[in-house]
Amino acid sequence: GEDVEQSLFLSVREGDSSVINCTYTDSSSTYLYWYKQEPGAGLQLLTYIFSNMDMKQDQRLTVLLNKKDKHLSLRIADTQTGDSAIYFCAEIPSGAGSYQLTFGKGTKLSVIP
Amino acid sequence: GAGVSQSPSNKVTEKGKDVELRCDPISGHTALYWYRQSLGQGLEFLIYFQGNSAPDKSGLPSDRFSAERTGGSVSTLTIQRTQQEDSAVYLCASSPLAGALLASYEQYFGPGTRLTVT
Repeated sequence: GEDVEQSLFLSVREGDSSVINCTYTDSSSTYLYWYKQEPGAGLQLLTYIFSNMDMKQDQRLTVLLNKKDKHLSLRIADTQTGDSAIYFCAEIPSGAGSYQLTFGKGTKLSVIP
Repeated sequence: GAGVSQSPSNKVTEKGKDVELRCDPISGHTALYWYRQSLGQGLEFLIYFQGNSAPDKSGLPSDRFSAERTGGSVSTLTIQRTQQEDSAVYLCASSPLAGALLASYEQYFGPGTRLTVT
């Protein structure tokens, strides 16, 4: 079956860049997503990347996709304390009628003031 | 505009009781999803509704779980004879035009219902 893997924890100092990594197994995935979950809140879609792209930039966020290695990363520039949250990588595996997201277990980002 | 809303936000129930969780999707979104988030299991897909098509129930963990979507809008997830392992946060999401060519299938999540079975 499909599996999305992420490291569980990341700690960075305020102002530094954060890089959250993710590996996935379904090379046919069309879109890959990053979601953010703050304590006690639901999931917020941060950004997504189409599989024919290598990179997508959106303000402080940069997504890099390496299809050969099935590796996705999210870089947050100038990390702020408000960025402290759990970040989930997700894919929609290929297959007819398959629209459910498969999530990694999430990376908890802690930002040290 | 209004996002996905869920009610109740918290539910504590005794083992063996039935519970109903409600989701109001974003107006105009044709697709609706239920996920479960529990410690150690991460986020698991439960069920998916798309328009008037038969739902994809492949993620429901047992026949104690069921869901319906009335009028293509509001959805209710029902758990019968709750067990302690059902304790989790139940998340609902909706998206527009699932299945459309080149759709990004962006899913917008509600805040979740935290279910505690004692």
